Amino acid sequence: AQKITQTQPGMFVQEKEAVTLDCTYDTSDPSYGLFWYKQPSSGEMIFLIYQGSYDQQNATEGRYSLNFQKARKSANLVISASQLGDSAMYFCAMVSGGYQKVTFGIGTKLQVIP
Amino acid sequence: NAGVTQTPKFQVLKTGQSMTLQCAQDMNHEYMSWYRQDPGMGLRLIHYSVGAGITDQGEVPNGYNVSRSTTEDFPLRLLSAAPSQTSVYFCASRALGQGKYNSPLHFGNGTRLTVT
Repeated sequence: AQKITQTQPGMFVQEKEAVTLDCTYDTSDPSYGLFWYKQPSSGEMIFLIYQGSYDQQNATEGRYSLNFQKARKSANLVISASQLGDSAMYFCAMVSGGYQKVTFGIGTKLQVIP
Repeated sequence: NAGVTQTPKFQVLKTGQSMTLQCAQDMNHEYMSWYRQDPGMGLRLIHYSVGAGITDQGEVPNGYNVSRSTTEDFPLRLLSAAPSQTSVYFCASRALGQGKYNSPLHFGNGTRLTVT
């Protein structure tokens, strides 16, 4: 069975500061992928970044980077230079298995303070 | 590009009524899925499909039925609505790759369902 754990229900960060959102995962499959999604108050789900289990380097997309520590089974999202528009729910998700089922964590609510 | 289209956006049902949430995608994605989102519980997988004629249960399948007769459509049926099914429902699709997982899920805009 695959499982995603996000232990931070809510986080605050000062504008222009960096913030790390935690995600740990569990799977018995040697091959898997990890995603982060953003859900603003308007409700849509926005794909941010992807990390594959065999990727040698940590993924980066603009101000988003993924701190992937395979041995610790963690895939933390780092947002640099936070902006007010970063205030949202953030979900970590994993895909694995032959049917490539996608499982989500419970999310972290990030609030950026001016 | 329409992407993933979900209808309706809002729905109110009485306990015991049935209804179908529609989902269609125009990206030729093999994988389609339904999630429900409840406060403090994240997105929980209801059912998913990896192609026409192939469906499987997710974490919370009870009370819901699905079928996949075409690549494009993946309707979710509530057979006898219960107040516990009050939630926001998302349909999502993605391309499947042989041994590759980097195709992200594309989401519809969600359906807010209230069962009274």
